[in-house]
Amino acid sequence: EDQVTQSPEALRLQEGESSSLNCSYTVSGLRGLFWYRQDPGKGPEFLFTLYSAGEEKEKERLKATLTKKESFLHITAPKPEDSATYLCAVYSNTGKLIFGQGTTLQVKP
Amino acid sequence: GAGVSQSPSNKVTEKGKDVELRCDPISGHTALYWYRQRLGQGLEFLIYFQGNSAPDKSGLPSDRFSAERTGESVSTLTIQRTQQEDSAVYLCASSSASDSQPQHFGDGTRLSIL
Repeated sequence: EDQVTQSPEALRLQEGESSSLNCSYTVSGLRGLFWYRQDPGKGPEFLFTLYSAGEEKEKERLKATLTKKESFLHITAPKPEDSATYLCAVYSNTGKLIFGQGTTLQVKP
Repeated sequence: GAGVSQSPSNKVTEKGKDVELRCDPISGHTALYWYRQRLGQGLEFLIYFQGNSAPDKSGLPSDRFSAERTGESVSTLTIQRTQQEDSAVYLCASSSASDSQPQHFGDGTRLSIL
């Protein structure tokens, strides 16, 4: 059964304190891994797509990486405005997007 | 260009009533999806439309749930005889194709069943 697990569930950082969020997946044929950001009361906002192991994508303070079993979202020198829930999702051969439960990040000034 | 638009943004109704939720996808997007997000939980797939193909209804939790889409435009999700466990945020997403393209989400309809 396709499964996506994110850790930790919650993360508190001081402004400027770099860290990483983890997304582990078990799918029948990975066709794409997606990272989204979700703010309270809003829909998920697309950040990155990764298609193959070894691929990396960057956007401002965020960098996403992918291996055959997991993906990491690295946050470098975070700011309070980076506070949000970060969702990982994978497309498998079933043709459906399977979401993890998310990591809620709080960055304190 | 405009993003995915959902209405209403909030809906409060009594148990047993029917509700209809609307989604306007991004123009030109052939694929449209509905998800349910319960408080503090992940997104749960409900239904998927791709062009004129038969929809994938495998995620609908019961026969009280149904959805329609006309061509590649507006979709409506209908919940009949609502129950308290139907309370959730209902999110709609669209993408340019079904195969491995990112989905773009609306801000959802927050449904509360009294």
